[in-house]
Amino acid sequence: AQSVTQPDARVTVSEGASLQLRCKYSYSGTPYLFWYVQYPRQGLQLLLKYYSGDPVVQGVNGFEAEFIKSNSSFHLRKASVHWSDSAVYFCAVSDRGSALGRLHFGAGTQLIVIP
Amino acid sequence: EAGVTQSPRYAVLQEGQAVSFWCDPISGHDTLYWYQQPRDQGPQLLVYFRDEAVIDNSQLPSDRFSAVRPKGTNSTLKIQSAKQGDTATYLCASRQGRNTGQLYFGEGSKLTVL
Repeated sequence: AQSVTQPDARVTVSEGASLQLRCKYSYSGTPYLFWYVQYPRQGLQLLLKYYSGDPVVQGVNGFEAEFIKSNSSFHLRKASVHWSDSAVYFCAVSDRGSALGRLHFGAGTQLIVIP
Repeated sequence: EAGVTQSPRYAVLQEGQAVSFWCDPISGHDTLYWYQQPRDQGPQLLVYFRDEAVIDNSQLPSDRFSAVRPKGTNSTLKIQSAKQGDTATYLCASRQGRNTGQLYFGEGSKLTVL
């Protein structure tokens, strides 16, 4: 069965520092992988996705993630965070084909950026 | 282009009461999803439709939850005889295309059952 683990419930960093949010997944086969962000009182917004090809994918607002199949990981990174990046970040894995969109989410990591 | 619209944004009920949530997907999106997001947890799929047909409702508590999308556009999720454990945000999302396409989420309907 598909599952996603985000081991850090909360991460606090200073503005301008680098960031890594961890995500490990369990999936039989090659997954579709996603990172979503949720700002207070807003819906989930897609940051980036991995379907195939280059394992390093670029997203919006300077975020990137690397798919490491051998480690079943898809960690999110940013070189320099801004206070506006404070939000909850969700990693998700999707079934393929016509079931794309049936997402399995992790519990989320709350990012707090200290100005 | 308008996004996914949900209403009401908030609902507060006593146990045993019923509530309906409404979702208007992005125009032209054939696939519609309902997710349940308990507080401090990730969303969990309840049901999804392609056009008016239910594709997967295996995670829908069928004794009290129901969902319809009669014309393949708007959708309603109804909870009858709500329980405290139903307290969560209910998210609607839509997508265009069978094998590709980004999922777009609404802002959600936050339900509190007292």
